[in-house]
Amino acid sequence: KAGVTQTPRYLIKTRGQQVTLSCSPISGHRSVSWYQQTPGQGLQFLFEYFSETQRNKGNFPGRFSGRQFSNSRSEMNVSTLELGDSALYLCASSLGYGQSEKLFFGSGTQLSVL
Amino acid sequence: KQEVTQIPAALSVPEGENLVLNCSFTDSAIYNLQWFRQDPGKGLTSLLLIQSSQREQTSGRLNASLDKSSGRSTLYIAASQPGDSATYLCAGHEETSGSRLTFGEGTQLTVNP
Repeated sequence: KAGVTQTPRYLIKTRGQQVTLSCSPISGHRSVSWYQQTPGQGLQFLFEYFSETQRNKGNFPGRFSGRQFSNSRSEMNVSTLELGDSALYLCASSLGYGQSEKLFFGSGTQLSVL
Repeated sequence: KQEVTQIPAALSVPEGENLVLNCSFTDSAIYNLQWFRQDPGKGLTSLLLIQSSQREQTSGRLNASLDKSSGRSTLYIAASQPGDSATYLCAGHEETSGSRLTFGEGTQLTVNP
C-alpha cells in the first residue's frame, strides 16, 4: 500500500510569488492535515480537512489556504510568499477525523523562498 | 494553550546502551499520544500510538508509556543501534482538537558505533 505522497519534493520561489503544494493520502484515508516545520518554531499545525471540509485551522495568516477534493487528495496554497515561509511542509493522513486517529506523514515539500 | 517539552534536547550514547526519552505536557488533558522518528530532511515515521485507555505500547526494542495524570510520556529504546540515530518527536491529541497534533521540539539522538 502506497504511503502519503507529497509533490513536489523541493521548490524554490521568490518573494511575492504564490505556490501550490499537493498531497495524496494513503488509499482509503479521508482526513488530511498540513504542518509547517522550521528550525525555530518546530512543527506547527496549519489545517485539517475531512470529507472536503476544513475541520480545524491553526494560527496562520490568510495567505495560507487549502482544499480537499472528493478523492481525498489535498492541496495547500501560499500566496504572496515571504522569506519566513521557507520551511518543510508536511502532510499527514488518517482514516477518519478525531482524537483517536493515527496519523501517517509524507516526506514533505521543502520550500525555499528567495 | 498546550505546550510540549522534550528532555533532553540532544543525546549521544554508545551502541548497545538502553535509553529513555522524556516528554511532558503543560495540560494533562491529552487524549492520546504518538511518538515519531524523523531522519534529516525527511518526513515523520510513526513509531508508537498510545490510546487514551492505554498506559503503554511496545514495538520491538521500543516501549512507550503515558501517564495522563501527570501529563508525561517516556520512550524507552533498548539495546540502541547506530541506525536509531534520528530526531524523536512526541505529539499529543487534545480532547477537543480533532486529529490535530501538538508536537514537542524533539530529542536528537546519536548512537555511536
